Amino acid sequence: NAGVTQTPKFQVLKTGQSMTLQCAQDMNHEYMSWYRQDPGMGLRLIHYSVGAGITDQGEVPNGYNVSRSTTEDFPLRLLSAAPSQTSVYFCASSYLLAVTYEQYFGPGTRLTVT
Amino acid sequence: QQPVQSPQAVILREGEDAVINCSSSKALYSVHWYRQKHGEAPVFLMILLKGGEQKGHDKISASFNEKKQQSSLYLTASQLSYSGTYFCGTEAQGGSEKLVFGKGTKLTVNP
Repeated sequence: NAGVTQTPKFQVLKTGQSMTLQCAQDMNHEYMSWYRQDPGMGLRLIHYSVGAGITDQGEVPNGYNVSRSTTEDFPLRLLSAAPSQTSVYFCASSYLLAVTYEQYFGPGTRLTVT
Repeated sequence: QQPVQSPQAVILREGEDAVINCSSSKALYSVHWYRQKHGEAPVFLMILLKGGEQKGHDKISASFNEKKQQSSLYLTASQLSYSGTYFCGTEAQGGSEKLVFGKGTKLTVNP
């Protein structure tokens, strides 16, 4: 099992450019989420999905789009990059059945917007 | 609303104990605990569901007081490997995975 994979690991964008951060998991987890982490701010939820075809907004969704066409993939699209979107982005997948819960994070994408 | 973690930082010697607290002003369904080492992804430690059940994981355990909307993480006989930043994530609605995280508690364990 590869777990949760994210690509790219690093990215530099110019203001106004768009790009897609990729996230994939091979554990057949229903839930997937995208977080951003800024220094001293902890993790903030951008968007999440409770299953294929179902997505919802988190705490800081503006400027980002997601879709979930398959259980495995959950890409995050930056529509028009801004310097305020410079951050580390983590994708996570999780599974809940009765009292059994597991969650795994991908290694992260470090994004700089100039 | 973001949960409040305390303390913000703690320094221990190997073998000492520590308690990290997480408080919310909202009614909670669950509290999640994570450890993150510098430059790495967070690692999920445990989840506490409504019901106040205490959980354990090696020498790390946690409790959840749903009446007070508070959770505490207990690290017993700390090891060097416990160093890192600990985050709590709170969920108000069961099954939503809509987590709100605290700002973290930086734990340093020295020899």
